[in-house]
Formats: sequence, structure tokens, C-alpha cells
Amino acid sequence: DAEITQSPRHKITETGRQVTLACHQTWNHNNMFWYRQDLGHGLRLIHYSYGVQDTNKGEVSDGYSVSRSNTEDLPLTLESAASSQTSVYFCASSRGRIYEQYFGPGTRLTVT
Amino acid sequence: SQELEQSPQSLIVQEGKNLTINCTSSKTLYGLYWYKQKYGEGLIFLMMLQKGGEEKSHEKITAKLDEKKQQSSLHITASQPSHAGIYLCGAGPNTGNQFYFGTGTSLTVIP
Repeated sequence: DAEITQSPRHKITETGRQVTLACHQTWNHNNMFWYRQDLGHGLRLIHYSYGVQDTNKGEVSDGYSVSRSNTEDLPLTLESAASSQTSVYFCASSRGRIYEQYFGPGTRLTVT
Repeated sequence: SQELEQSPQSLIVQEGKNLTINCTSSKTLYGLYWYKQKYGEGLIFLMMLQKGGEEKSHEKITAKLDEKKQQSSLHITASQPSHAGIYLCGAGPNTGNQFYFGTGTSLTVIP
């Protein structure tokens, strides 16, 4: 069955370190998204991609970057982790702009 | 930006009771999505509404989009403990390219 996976599921890192969160989907979806979920803020869009080599900034993109070299993967990189980036991160994909998004299980990141 | 307001923020109901969650937008919605999130897990897609006046049902959950396409409601009939979780509405991109979510409604169903 097609699916969307995230790794690692849990990560603890120190302030200032570079961290990369992986997202892999086997639906062959063109669109992929990264969100963070925090109490009081709900889900906020970090970056998104509508296809290979396409990346766009979302609502809270500062301190994060993504690259899309193939259809299946959209890794999220925190260039220099900050405590404010402690959060749960969700990756999602969709067939097209008007179609529903399917979410991965999430990565809980703690920056100490 | 397009904001989505959900109400109530939290809901505690006795098993068997009906309940309604609302999602309101200040702008016309071109696609309204309902998701459910179990605590500590990812989001599960429930339903998508696109047309004014549209109504969809899945098992005991019914979602409606009003004629003006600015408000949606999610209604659960005869709630069960399995319905517990966080319900989020999301709006698809219209003139912009970003997808937005409401802040969520936490539902607890007491057996």
C-alpha cells in the first residue's frame, strides 16, 4: 500500500546543530508539505513543493529549508536549531492543489 | 492571510450524545477539508467540501458547507469513545498557494 513516512520519529538535538528530517511518500504525489504543530498555534505551514525542483516558503519558513530532487522525498533542514523550533513536525502530500492532503505520523523534535 | 476559526476549542460529551463543531472563514472557501487527529498521531482525512450547500457523510459524521462557502460544520451523531481526538478544518489554496488549518477542536467522549 502507498504511504507517507517520516524519520526519525523522535529527535533530541542541541542548539546550533543542523538537523534534517526526512519525508518519503510512495503515492507519486506532486505536492508535498511540511508543517509544525504547536499548542496554541495549531498547524502552520513551513515549506511546500508542487514538483521536482520547486520549493516555496510557507507561513513560518525562517530557519528552515527544503529541497526537492525527486518526487518521493522532501527533506526538511533546520540550519541551526533553536529552542523555538522544538515542535512536532508533520509532512503531507497530495495529488494536486485541490485535493486532500495525506499526513505522515510526525516527528517530535526537541532542541535543548 | 486566510484565517479559519473553529469553535468550540474543546468539547466534553457523554457517549451517545450528538455534537457539532464549526469552522468559519472571513473569506470565501474554495475547498474545505476536515481532518481528525488522534493524540500523538498524524492527521486522518475525513471529508472534503467544495460546493456551496454541499453535505457529505461518513458513518456517523456529517459535514456541511454553507451556501456562501464561508462556514462549515461537522456533526457527529451518537458519539462514541472512538470519536475522541482533535478535529481540524483546513482550507485549500484559492488565489494564493498556501493551505491553512483552524486551531482545532479537542473532543473527549466519556463512556
